[in-house]
Amino acid sequence: DTAVSQTPKYLVTQMGNDKSIKCEQNLGHDTMYWYKQDSKKFLKIMFSYNNKELIINETVPNRFSPKSPDKAHLNLHINSLELGDSAVYFCASTSVTAGAQYNEQFFGPGTRLTVL
Amino acid sequence: DAKTTQPNSMESNEEEPVHLPCNHSTISGTDYIHWYRQLPSQGPEYVIHGLTSNVNNRMASLAIAEDRKSSTLILHRATLRDAAVYYCILRTSGTYKYIFGTGTRLKVLA
Repeated sequence: DTAVSQTPKYLVTQMGNDKSIKCEQNLGHDTMYWYKQDSKKFLKIMFSYNNKELIINETVPNRFSPKSPDKAHLNLHINSLELGDSAVYFCASTSVTAGAQYNEQFFGPGTRLTVL
Repeated sequence: DAKTTQPNSMESNEEEPVHLPCNHSTISGTDYIHWYRQLPSQGPEYVIHGLTSNVNNRMASLAIAEDRKSSTLILHRATLRDAAVYYCILRTSGTYKYIFGTGTRLKVLA
């Protein structure tokens, strides 16, 4: 069973469109993340949710709107896509109730978004 | 956010040990040192973490300097499957955020 899954794996779309990426984890974790990895391979955190509440929001344009319907799911909706949004988006999850000293994050396989 | 410095790339021969260094001179007492690696076309995966003492697990060992301003990830016998980008990350206890640096791209030669 896949621990953290993302759909779709690849997404090719035109500038100006609106698209969503979905993430699901079956690890029973309470915290989920979205990261963006650009063409230079820098991996940057975007958002984090803990128990469905937003706890990290890293100066991301408001065209990006995360949504966590429950602890196991974190979706990312992007409005008015721009060329600079092309990147690989990774979802990750962890459990913060396991003890503050041990927060191993489990990452999904990534969604490669290409904006034309 | 505390920062780390790693060499951009390193090479190793297969079956030999690899020592991947990381400098974190601004580390604070509550910062944990985490290592992740990212295999080609995959998401990052956890390798090891520690606070003050050296740590061993099935994947690697982590050697932490006495002043904690640097650490070294040790792969005891590199294999071709260990070719990846290795990230050294500091995480403050009680926070949920990882700040990834540029990492070290490890190339393993057959």
